[in-house]
Amino acid sequence: ELKVEQNPLFLSMQEGKNYTIYCNYSTTSDRLYWYRQDPGKSLESLFVLLSNGAVKQEGRLMASLDTKARLSTLHITAAVHDLSATYFCAVDRGGNTDKLIFGTGTRLQVFP
Amino acid sequence: DAGVIQSPRHEVTEMGQEVTLRCKPISGHNSLFWYRQTMMRGLELLIYFNNNVPIDDSGMPEDRFSAKMPNASFSTLKIQPSEPRDSAVYFCASSWGGVTDTQYFGPGTRLTVL
Repeated sequence: ELKVEQNPLFLSMQEGKNYTIYCNYSTTSDRLYWYRQDPGKSLESLFVLLSNGAVKQEGRLMASLDTKARLSTLHITAAVHDLSATYFCAVDRGGNTDKLIFGTGTRLQVFP
Repeated sequence: DAGVIQSPRHEVTEMGQEVTLRCKPISGHNSLFWYRQTMMRGLELLIYFNNNVPIDDSGMPEDRFSAKMPNASFSTLKIQPSEPRDSAVYFCASSWGGVTDTQYFGPGTRLTVL
């Protein structure tokens, strides 16, 4: 059974600092997705990573995928308050009954 | 495009009552997903449809839950009878082509069963 783990679960960071969120998964997959959820809101797609070594960047966020290590990272550069949200990674289970398995989420709070 | 539309946004009901949640996917998308989000279990896929046909319903918790997609622009998730443990936020999402395409989520329905 595919398991997806994120760490940390909670991250409080100061504006201007850098940090990385980690997403580990337990079985082989070549597709990984990052979503953002603001409190009380829906999920918004951030990145889709489709192959080993894939790197995507948008503003202060950069995501990467290492399928051999079964690891994706979401790196935050010079955090700002607007990045405060919960970030989820999701892995495509693949196979005949593929579906996305979501991680537990990382709640990020950026303070002045 | 209006995005994925869900109704109602909030639903409060009493145990034993029937609850129907509704979803209108993005026009042109041929896959539709129902998810449930709780603090304890996180975000779980309940069922997904491709071209209006249910593909995977293994996430549906029990027979009290049923979902239909009578046409490409409408789906329902029904809980009958409802129980307090069904309290959660239910999201509908749609995509162009299956699980691997980017899924666009609706605003969710917050269900409270008393």
